[in-house]
Amino acid sequence: AQSVSQHNHHVILSEAASLELGCNYSYGGTVNLFWYVQYPGQHLQLLLKYFSGDPLVKGIKGFEAEFIKSKFSFNLRKPSVQWSDTAEYFCAVNKGWGAQKLVFGQGTRLTINP
Amino acid sequence: KAGVTQTPRYLIKTRGQQVTLSCSPISGHRSVSWYQQTPGQGLQFLFEYFSETQRNKGNFPGRFSGRQFSNSRSEMNVSTLELGDSALYLCASSAGTDQETQYFGPGTRLLVL
Repeated sequence: AQSVSQHNHHVILSEAASLELGCNYSYGGTVNLFWYVQYPGQHLQLLLKYFSGDPLVKGIKGFEAEFIKSKFSFNLRKPSVQWSDTAEYFCAVNKGWGAQKLVFGQGTRLTINP
Repeated sequence: KAGVTQTPRYLIKTRGQQVTLSCSPISGHRSVSWYQQTPGQGLQFLFEYFSETQRNKGNFPGRFSGRQFSNSRSEMNVSTLELGDSALYLCASSAGTDQETQYFGPGTRLLVL
């Protein structure tokens, strides 16, 4: 069965630190990849997505992610985090054939200390 | 464009009762998906409706059902509620074609006592 693994359950950083959150998926076929963010008290919002083309994708708020097909990975990065980045981050995958079923990782809770 | 809306936002029910949750997708979107979010299991896919037909289904018991209307609005029903059904139920909409992003609503928080 398709699965998504996020290696870090809780990450604590200071402001201005660099961030990298890991995401690996198990499905070997064509996939669409997403990172969603859930700020405290808010609904899930799309950070960025990868469908095809340039494996380095840029999203909102300075986030970027790199798709490495050989490693089945889609890690999220930000060079300098802010206190407002405190949130839960979810990696998600779906098959690239029109099916809308998203398989989510368990999420990574990010806490940024001012 | 208005986002995905879900009603009600909060609900308290007792075991054995049934509940119906509603979702209105973004205008023009024909696909509606439902997810259950719990601290223990995370986000899990329930089912997806496209043009009034269930197109995908997750691994949930038959107590969980849904439907979609001609205006793309969707309802989810849970019968014979159990304590373990307490969760945040999220609805997401998309155009429903390949390479489409799902946009999530705020969710309905269900508490079963």
